[in-house]
Amino acid sequence: KAGVTQTPRYLIKTRGQQVTLSCSPISGHRSVSWYQQTPGQGLQFLFEYFSETQRNKGNFPGRFSGRQFSNSRSEMNVSTLELGDSALYLCASSLGTEGDTQYFGPGTRLTVL
Amino acid sequence: AQSVTQLGSHVSVSEGALVLLRCNYSSSVPPYLFWYVQYPNQGLQLLLKYTSAATLVKGINGFEAEFKKSETSFHLTKPSAHMSDAAEYFCAVRTSGTYKYIFGTGTRLKVLA
Repeated sequence: KAGVTQTPRYLIKTRGQQVTLSCSPISGHRSVSWYQQTPGQGLQFLFEYFSETQRNKGNFPGRFSGRQFSNSRSEMNVSTLELGDSALYLCASSLGTEGDTQYFGPGTRLTVL
Repeated sequence: AQSVTQLGSHVSVSEGALVLLRCNYSSSVPPYLFWYVQYPNQGLQLLLKYTSAATLVKGINGFEAEFKKSETSFHLTKPSAHMSDAAEYFCAVRTSGTYKYIFGTGTRLKVLA
């Protein structure tokens, strides 16, 4: 079974631009979660989508948004990029059921100049 | 609110020595507990998972963890460290009835030759 894939793997943007990251979950998984990882803040939860609906949300500004499609693939968008948005963005998929396990993709490394 | 505390952001051990990475959680109900490992420039890989079936959980690469309810702990151990174990380790908790994962701040393990 193929694992979680994320595209692109690396991105360089400038302040003020917007960016869209993509995540394809493991086949059969209906939940996709997004995390931001930085050296200073560690792993921070952004949001979780289950069956095309946002089910959980972290404490990030509205510039961070996401969506999930009917095939469970998910996208995350960040508008008006700031230098502090430079991070590794990780996507994790799971069945979305009680006691399930999250499986992570390799991440997208975003650098904002 | 749920939380996870990992004691020691950096741990160094000699090759062949015991590895002990500490994790304490706060949860009002029996949780699901996880240990993940992250190698440089990669996503998180599941090491092991506790689901109440057994208090001692064996994972991949010779790691194991013991759930101690009285101490609210889920420490990760490996009898003999190998150079390839050098990585960052994350403890995570998910309380029964929720779909949100809470991650600790991570412990970076260094293995000395």
